[in-house]
Amino acid sequence: ETGVTQTPRHLVMGMTNKKSLKCEQHLGHNAMYWYKQSAKKPLELMFVYSLEERVENNSVPSRFSPECPNSSHLFLHLHTLQPEDSALYLCASSQGGYGNTIYFGEGSWLTVV
Amino acid sequence: QKEVEQNSGPLSVPEGAIASLNCTYSDRGSQSFFWYRQYSGKSPELIMFIYSNGDKEDGRFTAQLNKASQYVSLLIRDSQPSDSATYLCAVTHNNQAGTALIFGKGTTLSVSS
Repeated sequence: ETGVTQTPRHLVMGMTNKKSLKCEQHLGHNAMYWYKQSAKKPLELMFVYSLEERVENNSVPSRFSPECPNSSHLFLHLHTLQPEDSALYLCASSQGGYGNTIYFGEGSWLTVV
Repeated sequence: QKEVEQNSGPLSVPEGAIASLNCTYSDRGSQSFFWYRQYSGKSPELIMFIYSNGDKEDGRFTAQLNKASQYVSLLIRDSQPSDSATYLCAVTHNNQAGTALIFGKGTTLSVSS
């Protein structure tokens, strides 16, 4: 079992659907992140939570809504997505805040049809 | 716009050779530098991090940092076919929200047997 687990691993959703991605970290870290990875683009940071408070939102469209109920769990709620949102969504965690080593989950492959 | 530049490759080396992966960054204030390996269809996994100028060795891997030249590299000795992957360079960057981790697009390495 990896230190950061994500579910589902694969998701296909229509543009009018509402779905959620879930992330759980078992490393005792106090910061969690959502990244987006699209083909031929660098990893893009979407959201940062430190001690369960959102500390960064890199101009992500409101159709992506994060939730961090505690330091071990992170959700990404999805609604009315566009086909260009199809990507690999990676959850990560670190101890001591951003700038320290981050560890990634296996990712959730999202396809919007 | 703070950037991390990597040659996308592919970099092809024969088995047993030394693979040299390079990365340049634009933010002179960057303090921490990371190398991640990503196999096709998988999430990035941490290989090494380096904070100080000079070399840092871990098994077959050596990270080299030259802050004056804003350059960081990863050497892989005795390259194996299992090293074939995309290697991501990541650099910390301080902004108003705190410290961000900026990724390059990655260099694809192919090791032939």
